[in-house]
Amino acid sequence: DIVMTQSPDSLAVSLGERASINCKSSHSILYSSNNRNYLGWYQQKPGQPPKLLIYWASTRESGVPDRFSGSGSGTDFTLTISSLQAEDVAIYYCQQYYNAPFTFGPGTKVDIK
Amino acid sequence: QLQLQESGPGLVKPSETLSLSCTVSGGSISSSSSYWVWIRQPPGKGLEWIGTIHSGGSTSYNPSLTSRVTVSVDTSKNQFSLKLNSVTAADTAVYYCARHVDQQWLAPFDNWGQGTLVPVSS
Repeated sequence: DIVMTQSPDSLAVSLGERASINCKSSHSILYSSNNRNYLGWYQQKPGQPPKLLIYWASTRESGVPDRFSGSGSGTDFTLTISSLQAEDVAIYYCQQYYNAPFTFGPGTKVDIK
Repeated sequence: QLQLQESGPGLVKPSETLSLSCTVSGGSISSSSSYWVWIRQPPGKGLEWIGTIHSGGSTSYNPSLTSRVTVSVDTSKNQFSLKLNSVTAADTAVYYCARHVDQQWLAPFDNWGQGTLVPVSS
C-alpha cells in the first residue's frame, strides 16, 4: 500500500495570511506515460463530508476559490491557501489514486490564530 | 445535479452484518460507465477507502476488508450497496458513498453523500 503522510498535524494562521500543508507519499505517484501526479486534496468541515478541492496535484475543482493551489510532483506535494479566510477552517486531507488501495493522509487541521 | 444519499440501520450488533445503501438521484447509475465508491471515517479519525463498484458490476476492495465486504449495484433502484459482515466496535464509523471523478477508475472522489454514522454496539 502507498502510505500518505502530512505535516504539520495542525496549524493556526492569521486571517489573510498564507497557510501551507505538506503531503508525502511512500511511493512516487507520478505516471511517466502521461506526466500526471495522481494526487487529490480534500477539505472537510465539521459535520460535513469531504469536498474535493484539487486533483492531478494542481488542478482546481470547478467553483473552488483561486486562493487554493496545489503543487509538487513525484512524492512531495503542497496545498497552499494564499490568504486564509474564516470559512477555510477545516481539516485537509491528501489522497493518492495512483493505485488501489486508494489511501488518504491523516489530515491537517487549519485554524485561525 | 447528481446527489448521493446513504441509508441503513442506525445501530449494528457485534458479529452481525452492516448493510447500507446509497441512492443516486439526478442521474442513472447505469447510463454511464461510472465507478461508485464506499469510504468510511471512524469518529475523530481519518478516511479509509472500503471498495469500488463499476456500473457494470466489477468490484475492487481494500485488502484490509476484502474477506468481509461485498459491494453490489441494483440498477432497478438506482442504488449501490455495502455489506460488511462480522462487525466489531472497530467498524464504528461514518460511512460515505461517492463517485469516482470523470468516470475513471484512477480518479479522486466527488459527489459525496452526507454520510451515515453506524455504531457497532450490543
